[in-house]
Amino acid sequence: KAGVTQTPRYLIKTRGQQVTLSCSPISGHRSVSWYQQTPGQGLQFLFEYFSETQRNKGNFPGRFSGRQFSNSRSEMNVSTLELGDSALYLCASSLDVTDTQYFGPGTRLTVL
Amino acid sequence: SQQGEEDPQALSIQEGENATMNCSYKTSINNLQWYRQNSGRGLVHLILIRSNEREKHSGRLRVTLDTSKKSSSLLITASRAADTASYFCATVQGAQKLVFGQGTRLTINP
Repeated sequence: KAGVTQTPRYLIKTRGQQVTLSCSPISGHRSVSWYQQTPGQGLQFLFEYFSETQRNKGNFPGRFSGRQFSNSRSEMNVSTLELGDSALYLCASSLDVTDTQYFGPGTRLTVL
Repeated sequence: SQQGEEDPQALSIQEGENATMNCSYKTSINNLQWYRQNSGRGLVHLILIRSNEREKHSGRLRVTLDTSKKSSSLLITASRAADTASYFCATVQGAQKLVFGQGTRLTINP
């Protein structure tokens, strides 16, 4: 079975721009979660989607949004980028959120 | 704030020694999971232990869970240089989200 894939792997943007990250889950997995990882804040939960519905959202501003498609692929969008958005963004898929989560390699976003 | 708190934050041992990391959490859980992360990469699932289980083994890994103390420990026996990584515990609470601790950075010295 193919693992979780994330694209792009690396991204450099400037303040004020917007960015879209993509995540393709393991086949058959309907739950996709997104996390932001920074040295200062650690791993922080962004949101979780299940069957195209956002079931839970972390404590992030409205500039962070996401969606899930009918094939379970998910995207997250960050608008009006700030320097503090520089981070490793991780996506994980699972059969359901309480089950083992399988992580992708992450997208390293740098905001200049 | 993170519900899972690992202790210690950093651990450095000699190859061949055992490494023990602890995790404490605050609310009731469905299960507790341990993950490993090599520098700057995605997380790899190690073990999932359910709330009605007390101990679980996987190769050189042993996880214990004490729900009365709201704590778990991860023991890595006969450590190897390849075990150098950050280790995270994560708990699923009632809501649909997995909450991670800050992690323990483990360094195995040859």
